[in-house]
Amino acid sequence: KAGVTQTPRYLIKTRGQQVTLSCSPISGHRSVSWYQQTPGQGLQFLFEYFSETQRNKGNFPGRFSGRQFSNSRSEMNVSTLELGDSALYLCASSPGITPGGFTGELFFGEGSRLTVL
Amino acid sequence: QKEVEQNSGPLSVPEGAIASLNCTYSDRGSQSFFWYRQYSGKSPELIMFIYSNGDKEDGRFTAQLNKASQYVSLLIRDSQPSDSATYLCAVIKRGLGNEKLTFGTGTRLTIIP
Repeated sequence: KAGVTQTPRYLIKTRGQQVTLSCSPISGHRSVSWYQQTPGQGLQFLFEYFSETQRNKGNFPGRFSGRQFSNSRSEMNVSTLELGDSALYLCASSPGITPGGFTGELFFGEGSRLTVL
Repeated sequence: QKEVEQNSGPLSVPEGAIASLNCTYSDRGSQSFFWYRQYSGKSPELIMFIYSNGDKEDGRFTAQLNKASQYVSLLIRDSQPSDSATYLCAVIKRGLGNEKLTFGTGTRLTIIP
């Protein structure tokens, strides 16, 4: 069974540009979450999508947005990039609906490392 | 105050000894607690979860939860060099469709051969 696939793995942008990151979840998983990881702040929750709907949102500015497609693939977009957006962006998938509710197990991709110059 | 706090370390433990990792959380509504392990350059993976007060053992790993003190810990017995990693504590407020994990910043553990 293929794992979570994120593309691109590495990218370099300059301030003011925008970026789109892609995530393909594990087959059959309907929930996709996005996290930002930095050395100082750790893993911070961006948002979670289930069946093309955003179910949860973290405390990030509106420059950060996402969407999910009918095949559960997800994209996140960051507009007007700032230096502080340099980070590892992790996508994670989970079944979305399980008997008894969410087990807490997220399956993470390898991440997209964004550097903003 | 951060929702989930961990000592960033590094924590160095001799091979074969017990490694003790600690985590506190601020929201009393937190209901489920998780330990993820992240090797350098890799993505996090779930190693333990605990929902009820007390201890939960899985092989060399024991998770401990004290909801009154808002405290979670992870003990690793007979530590091995392969246990060297960053350990992330995470909590969740269970709710309808609420699949949001809040992570601590992690504790970097080094097992010394």
